Amino acid sequence: EDKVVQSPLSLVVHEGDTVTLNCSYEVTNFRSLLWYKQEKKAPTFLFMLTSSGIEKKSGRLSSILDKKELFSILNITATQTGDSAVYLCAVEASSGNQFYFGTGTSLTVIP
Amino acid sequence: ETGVTQTPRHLVMGMTNKKSLKCEQHLGHNAMYWYKQSAKKPLELMFVYNFKEQTENNSVPSRFSPECPNSSHLFLHLHTLQPEDSALYLCASSLRQGSDYGYTFGSGTRLTVV
Repeated sequence: EDKVVQSPLSLVVHEGDTVTLNCSYEVTNFRSLLWYKQEKKAPTFLFMLTSSGIEKKSGRLSSILDKKELFSILNITATQTGDSAVYLCAVEASSGNQFYFGTGTSLTVIP
Repeated sequence: ETGVTQTPRHLVMGMTNKKSLKCEQHLGHNAMYWYKQSAKKPLELMFVYNFKEQTENNSVPSRFSPECPNSSHLFLHLHTLQPEDSALYLCASSLRQGSDYGYTFGSGTRLTVV
């Protein structure tokens, strides 16, 4: 059964801390892995990863994929209260363009 | 605003009602998607349209009926729903079907079936 598992389910940190969010997957015919940030309602796209070992960075956020061990991590450095959100991981399978989403990690950054 | 507009924002309907959710984008995207987000469950893909053609129906019950009259508009027609259908329904679009182009999500319609 194809699945995506994110951990931890929730996380509370202080401003300035660094956090690492995990996403592991078992998906047949893997095509890509995507990270989204969901505040209130609409998820916003963060990264798409297709190749192992190549880090993608955007400001304080970075992500990397390990296709051998079937996982990805999302790092956020120097966290701010505006980083508080649910972070969703999704894996796209090449067969039928099916997406598998994890349940998300709820991050709360307190001042 | 993300560029993908969903209406209504909230909807309460009885089990015998018929209603429709609307999604509109003017981003020049050719693929549009319906997702269901239930509490404490992963986001579920429901339907995919690529250039107005339905390319994905993820085993969705027939009480949900999608319609895509053109690349800018997507509807989800609802009839004889069940209380367990209460959820947030998200619409998304992308340039073409597939993640290479990224996705833009709407803010969703919060549906409550009573």
